[in-house]
Amino acid sequence: GAGVSQTPSNKVTEKGKYVELRCDPISGHTALYWYRQSLGQGPEFLIYFQGTGAADDSGLPNDRFFAVRPEGSVSTLKIQRTERGDSAVYLCASSRTAFRNEQFFGPGTRLTVL
Amino acid sequence: GDSVTQMEGPVTLSEEAFLTINCTYTATGYPSLFWYVQYPGEGLQLLLKATKADDKGSNKGFEATYRKETTSFHLEKGSVQVSDSAVYFCALNPQGGSEKLVFGKGTKLTVNP
Repeated sequence: GAGVSQTPSNKVTEKGKYVELRCDPISGHTALYWYRQSLGQGPEFLIYFQGTGAADDSGLPNDRFFAVRPEGSVSTLKIQRTERGDSAVYLCASSRTAFRNEQFFGPGTRLTVL
Repeated sequence: GDSVTQMEGPVTLSEEAFLTINCTYTATGYPSLFWYVQYPGEGLQLLLKATKADDKGSNKGFEATYRKETTSFHLEKGSVQVSDSAVYFCALNPQGGSEKLVFGKGTKLTVNP
């Protein structure tokens, strides 16, 4: 079956602009996770959803970052007033449920803020 | 807070050599431990996991044992192949609560024929 998909694969924007990154999880997976990976680093947790609600958003770096999952499937990560330091690969993962199940990762969206 | 420390790479080996990638962690209680692998041009995928002390995870000839006494989860393979060239990430899921993964920085492995 289809894996986790993320769009766009690449996004170039200018400092101060607003961006949205989309994640389509594996069908039937109730848990969805967002991570950010900077060059030469491991993925860093941002937020995860169980169903429609954010179960843990402790990794969001500041209030410019926001994520939604209104119908418990597709999720959108929203970044306002982008800064050059936001440049990274944004990874999405999903799992069948949220209790210690394998997380399946998408290919990521490479965000570049000029 | 919870953290994972991996040996720094890159690691370069010849085919059929023995591989060890060290991983130690800091966490309270009994986290679950994972190794993820990222092959060139592909997304992260789970390689193996262990959920309690003394468990051994294994897959594709790779093994790692959860050592509570040394807070370690070292990855080993007896005979590497060129196709094992990838970046390997050690990760933990903290006990009791969030299902987030905490990752190490990754170790790039190159296997030459």
